[in-house]
Amino acid sequence: GDSVTQMEGPVTLSEEAFLTINCTYTATGYPSLFWYVQYPGEGLQLLLKATKADDKGSNKGFEATYRKETTSFHLEKGSVQVSDSAVYFCALTGNTDKLIFGTGTRLQVFP
Amino acid sequence: NAGVTQTPKFQVLKTGQSMTLQCAQDMNHEYMSWYRQDPGMGLRLIHYSVGAGITDQGEVPNGYNVSRSTTEDFPLRLLSAAPSQTSVYFCASSYSGKTYGYTFGSGTRLTVV
Repeated sequence: GDSVTQMEGPVTLSEEAFLTINCTYTATGYPSLFWYVQYPGEGLQLLLKATKADDKGSNKGFEATYRKETTSFHLEKGSVQVSDSAVYFCALTGNTDKLIFGTGTRLQVFP
Repeated sequence: NAGVTQTPKFQVLKTGQSMTLQCAQDMNHEYMSWYRQDPGMGLRLIHYSVGAGITDQGEVPNGYNVSRSTTEDFPLRLLSAAPSQTSVYFCASSYSGKTYGYTFGSGTRLTVV
């Protein structure tokens, strides 16, 4: 079945460092890909999405490009802030509209 | 526009008790889902609905029942609570999951003792 694999955390960075969180997927057909963010004690918020190959999703300085040839959707940000500390989830919807998640990656940013 | 509303926010149950977690959305979304979140395991799909009267099982449906009598509401029922059901539960809804993604509620933290 469809699945998502994320890099293990936590990822620990200093403020203004470059961020990459790796995400790869397995799916039949042409999935849509998503990144969600969960701040401490809160629910999940949609961060960005891409619905077809080579699309780039972007929001709040974060970017991810849908790479069908490598089945990847890596999350990047050029300069992280302390306020970016959260858990980031990669997810997909495949042939159905069921949203399937990776296990999440915790990001900790220190001043 | 309240989005997705979950009640209660916190609940403690004794083993064997039953309860219903409520979920309501006011966005006229057809797709609704229930997830549980456990440390190190991400969010796992419990049950799923594509419209009133239509439900389907997800990855971890055992011990949970759902029904969808209206577009707005999608309650999750625990028939006989077990300690293994201690978790944080999230409800989500979407107009089209593939195109727009899902909107999530703020969650229900359930402890079964």
